[in-house]
Amino acid sequence: GQQLNQSPQSMFIQEGEDVSMNCTSSSIFNTWLWYKQDPGEGPVLLIALYKAGELTSNGRLTAQFGITRKDSFLNISASIPSDVGIYFCAGQLNMNQFYFGTGTSLTVIP
Amino acid sequence: DTEVTQTPKHLVMGMTNKKSLKCEQHMGHRAMYWYKQKAKKPPELMFVYSYEKLSINESVPSRFSPECPNSSLLNLHLHALQPEDSALYLCASSQGQFNFDTQYFGPGTRLTVL
Repeated sequence: GQQLNQSPQSMFIQEGEDVSMNCTSSSIFNTWLWYKQDPGEGPVLLIALYKAGELTSNGRLTAQFGITRKDSFLNISASIPSDVGIYFCAGQLNMNQFYFGTGTSLTVIP
Repeated sequence: DTEVTQTPKHLVMGMTNKKSLKCEQHMGHRAMYWYKQKAKKPPELMFVYSYEKLSINESVPSRFSPECPNSSLLNLHLHALQPEDSALYLCASSQGQFNFDTQYFGPGTRLTVL
């Protein structure tokens, strides 16, 4: 299957700091999605992106669909303890091809 | 109601046991999915049902047998599993088969095979 590489693999930050993570692939995707997964829970959709260059916000979260359509970025501003979790990007290559990224584990230190 | 429920939450089984995982949604979604997730790894798609018919089987071993009795229910029957099958099994549903951006996930069943 497709490899969606996320970086960094893990992050340890102080509460209040901003966070940036990205997701890259060698293929061109039609849709990019960002999820958060808490321990013992399923992933929850945070943001969906549909067009190259699109910038979409959801509260303190902002995500961008890369111009090349091979990457996407997620920023979290003013992090809080409940932002802890694993963040996954996911891409839809075409109708029936959907892949998750490798994940970024976020730890927020109060 | 945007909830996908899964039972049981935890399951421990031996390699000779037969067990079933259950998933339910009442959002009127017509597509339902099973994913397998190993620790610290992304979910991997196993099966997709669309309008109660199996449409995608991602080369999953036959010891996993899915069933969709109706549009709200999805089961995963387990038989003769191996210890490496221990994982979190996630169910999801979406409005249509390829509407991944409308996909809701359940909390998962944590399966341990002894």
